[in-house]
Amino acid sequence: DTAVSQTPKYLVTQMGNDKSIKCEQNLGHDTMYWYKQDSKKFLKIMFSYNNKELIINETVPNRFSPKSPDKAHLNLHINSLELGDSAVYFCASSQKGLAGGGETQYFGPGTRLLVL
Amino acid sequence: AQTVTQSQPEMSVQEAETVTLSCTYDTSESDYYLFWYKQPPSRQMILVIRQEAYKQQNATENRFSVNFQKAAKSFSLKISDSQLGDAAMYFCAYRSGIGNQFYFGTGTSLTVIP
Repeated sequence: DTAVSQTPKYLVTQMGNDKSIKCEQNLGHDTMYWYKQDSKKFLKIMFSYNNKELIINETVPNRFSPKSPDKAHLNLHINSLELGDSAVYFCASSQKGLAGGGETQYFGPGTRLLVL
Repeated sequence: AQTVTQSQPEMSVQEAETVTLSCTYDTSESDYYLFWYKQPPSRQMILVIRQEAYKQQNATENRFSVNFQKAAKSFSLKISDSQLGDAAMYFCAYRSGIGNQFYFGTGTSLTVIP
C-alpha cells in the first residue's frame, strides 16, 4: 500500500491556468507538508499543516493555496500559473511524538509540473 | 532558524569502495533528529538513515552508517561497498525536537563508477 500518494504524477499546462495537486497519506500522521524542488534540486518547504491547521507558511506567492479537508489530505491549488512555477512538488507527512521513527518524514512520489 | 550545510555538491566513488558524505548543521537545541534521504533519478525521496540527537551511538543500516558528532554539529554518511544503485542525490535533514519543520541541505550528487 502506498503510504503517501500524489496525483497527478505529471502535469503540463499553459501559463495563466489554475491547477491542483492532491495528496493523501494513509499513515495516520497528523502533520503534512508541501515542498517545491527546483531545477537545481534545492528542496524548499512551502506549507505545513497539523490536524488541518496551517502551521508553516513560508514566503510563497498567494497564488498558492493549500487546503486540508481532513488530516489525511493536503491539496495544493495554484492560480495563474507562471513559468517559474515549473518544478517538482513533493507532499510529505510525519507524526510528532510517535516512538520508533515517528519523527521521520515520509514523502510522496512527487508531481512534476511544467508550465509552458 | 536552523541551517543544514552540505559542502560537497558532487562526489564520486568507485564501485565496492567506501565514500563519506558530509553534513553540518547549526542549532541551539539539544533535542533534535537528523536524517539522510536518497533521491535517485526517479525523484522518489527515500529515507536512508535517521539519528536521534540524544543517542550517542551512531546509527547503522546495512552498508550505511553515520558519524554523529554532536559537539561539532556534524552528521556524515558513510556508504560502504558502494553499488551502482547507490548513485543518487543525497540530502541531509534536520528536524527540531519541538517543532514540525524539517530543514534540508542542498544535496550531494553521488556518482558510482563501475
